[in-house]
Amino acid sequence: NAGVTQTPKFQVLKTGQSMTLQCAQDMNHEYMSWYRQDPGMGLRLIHYSVGAGITDQGEVPNGYNVSRSTTEDFPLRLLSAAPSQTSVYFCASSYSGQVGEEQYFGPGTRLTVT
Amino acid sequence: KQEVTQIPAALSVPEGENLVLNCSFTDSAIYNLQWFRQDPGKGLTSLLLIQSSQREQTSGRLNASLDKSSGRSTLYIAASQPGDSATYLCAVRPNDYKLSFGAGTTVTVRA
Repeated sequence: NAGVTQTPKFQVLKTGQSMTLQCAQDMNHEYMSWYRQDPGMGLRLIHYSVGAGITDQGEVPNGYNVSRSTTEDFPLRLLSAAPSQTSVYFCASSYSGQVGEEQYFGPGTRLTVT
Repeated sequence: KQEVTQIPAALSVPEGENLVLNCSFTDSAIYNLQWFRQDPGKGLTSLLLIQSSQREQTSGRLNASLDKSSGRSTLYIAASQPGDSATYLCAVRPNDYKLSFGAGTTVTVRA
């Protein structure tokens, strides 16, 4: 098992550019989510999905879009990058998302917006 | 809104000393609490998951306790080693899918 994989590992964007952060898992997990991590603030939930075709907003969804067409993949789209979106982005998954489930995290994507 | 606090933000101890890391949360209506380890530039690795019905969970040198009524969890790491140097994060899970994270405690174990 590769677990949770994320690409790219690093990315630099100019303000206004768009891009997609990729996340994939090979554990047949139903639940997937995206977090951003900023210094001194812990991780904050952006969007999550409880299965293919089902997504919902987290704590900080503005400026981001997601879709879930397959169980394996959960891409995060930045529509028009802003310097405030400079952060480290983590994707996570768990088997069902039910209470009691352990979360597995990817290695992260470090994004800088200039 | 659930607030999760980890104090201190940083901790430095000599090798062999026991580590005590604290996590407090404002809303006691949680289903579980999870402790993670994060190495510099890396993702999060799950250490222990405590269900709300449990008082503690143990794995090797690690022991985590949970007191829901007081909104506190403590992670104990016995006989610390330089390889334990990392940032430790706690996260609480309410009755939905949204984890709330603390900002973490960065631990340095001096050889």
